[in-house]
Amino acid sequence: DTGVSQDPRHKITKRGQNVTFRCDPISEHNRLYWYRQTLGQGPEFLTYFQNEAQLEKSRLLSDRFSAERPKGSFSTLEIQRTEQGDSAMYLCASSLRAGGDTDTQYFGPGTRLTVL
Amino acid sequence: GNSVTQMEGPVTLSEEAFLTINCTYTATGYPSLFWYVQYPGEGLQLLLKATKADDKGSNKGFEATYRKETTSFHLEKGSVQVSDSAVYFCALSDRNNAGNMLTFGGGTRLMVKP
Repeated sequence: DTGVSQDPRHKITKRGQNVTFRCDPISEHNRLYWYRQTLGQGPEFLTYFQNEAQLEKSRLLSDRFSAERPKGSFSTLEIQRTEQGDSAMYLCASSLRAGGDTDTQYFGPGTRLTVL
Repeated sequence: GNSVTQMEGPVTLSEEAFLTINCTYTATGYPSLFWYVQYPGEGLQLLLKATKADDKGSNKGFEATYRKETTSFHLEKGSVQVSDSAVYFCALSDRNNAGNMLTFGGGTRLMVKP
């Protein structure tokens, strides 16, 4: 299967702890996106990368959040000093930006974070 | 800014019934429009898309037409099946924004009973 993969699928942590999630995009895709989805809501954009460059961050991405995409391949999203409000599904998507037509984003299964 | 509004669920239908899920949007630019589906326990899957006015996206018996005059992209299916039970998300991508990030509606849960 060459789809987008995310690890772990589930993470339970205590308030104040740091957590890190990983996303592996479809191999030839140059764009990688992170979204957050809370229960009963649609996903909300957090940040995106084109290759290794992080080009835009949402105001939802507080200082406690940091994302990286070294070498333009996989990406990590770290949350420091987790709060109960961080509990959500964190979704990763990738696309091939080839110019012209709108690129389609393909989503991974998500990482569900529960902060106790 | 950009926003997407879709009808609240749940929508409960009997098998073989006709489905309509309404979606309207507000966009500062000229968006592309999408429907994504999320089956229980799975990630978001692209169902269909349309990139310009009057385009019709279709897949697996589902259709949606990009209506610029009414800023709408309603999802329809002529005869639903139990396997169509899922949450459906309408979304837009504003091509004025270089990032093409998606703005989603709140989702509509569809439940199809045999």
